[in-house]
Amino acid sequence: AQKITQTQPGMFVQEKEAVTLDCTYDTSDPSYGLFWYKQPSSGEMIFLIYQGSYDQQNATEGRYSLNFQKARKSANLVISASQLGDSAMYFCAMRTNTGNQFYFGTGTSLTVIP
Amino acid sequence: ETGVTQTPRHLVMGMTNKKSLKCEQHLGHNAMYWYKQSAKKPLELMFVYNFKEQTENNSVPSRFSPECPNSSHLFLHLHTLQPEDSALYLCASSQALVGTSSQETQYFGPGTRLLVL
Repeated sequence: AQKITQTQPGMFVQEKEAVTLDCTYDTSDPSYGLFWYKQPSSGEMIFLIYQGSYDQQNATEGRYSLNFQKARKSANLVISASQLGDSAMYFCAMRTNTGNQFYFGTGTSLTVIP
Repeated sequence: ETGVTQTPRHLVMGMTNKKSLKCEQHLGHNAMYWYKQSAKKPLELMFVYNFKEQTENNSVPSRFSPECPNSSHLFLHLHTLQPEDSALYLCASSQALVGTSSQETQYFGPGTRLLVL
């Protein structure tokens, strides 16, 4: 069964607007971590934001925030005030305790339009 | 140098060749990872090392052989690969396998783009 699901293969957003990238996950572990990474065309994975399963508040890092809805098993990334440099692939990932596994979604390609 | 470095950045090899990918992290981390990224597929975790000991091998074919001589260096030895092994190979490291956000966050190198002919 797919552990991380990203249903939006491609998204477009106007510069300076906000955009939400969807991510749902599946695990029976009570303890897990959720991550978002950005991958520009150069290939390097850049860490953006982290949410722990026991964290009470949604994570925020600058223009990035994570909308964590535990009951729905969703961890959507919100990018506020989009910039042209935000155009990239975005991956949602999950770390589970069982077997020390790390799962990635298939990614969402974000294009910021000037 | 800082962060995670990988060499070579690009590699073309025949199916009978033997080559090695190198990864080095300058972050003082204890865990290191190899991933394979193929087109239109999720990133696949291949191997995990923690304090130089291999903790995970996700059913990777034996033509891929990892080596971790110390916590800062990780190698992936390649032998008799197939064309379907062509992909971007990413190395990552983290302070710990599991812990606080800063401890378990993985930091990635730029990757080696491998083409098998």
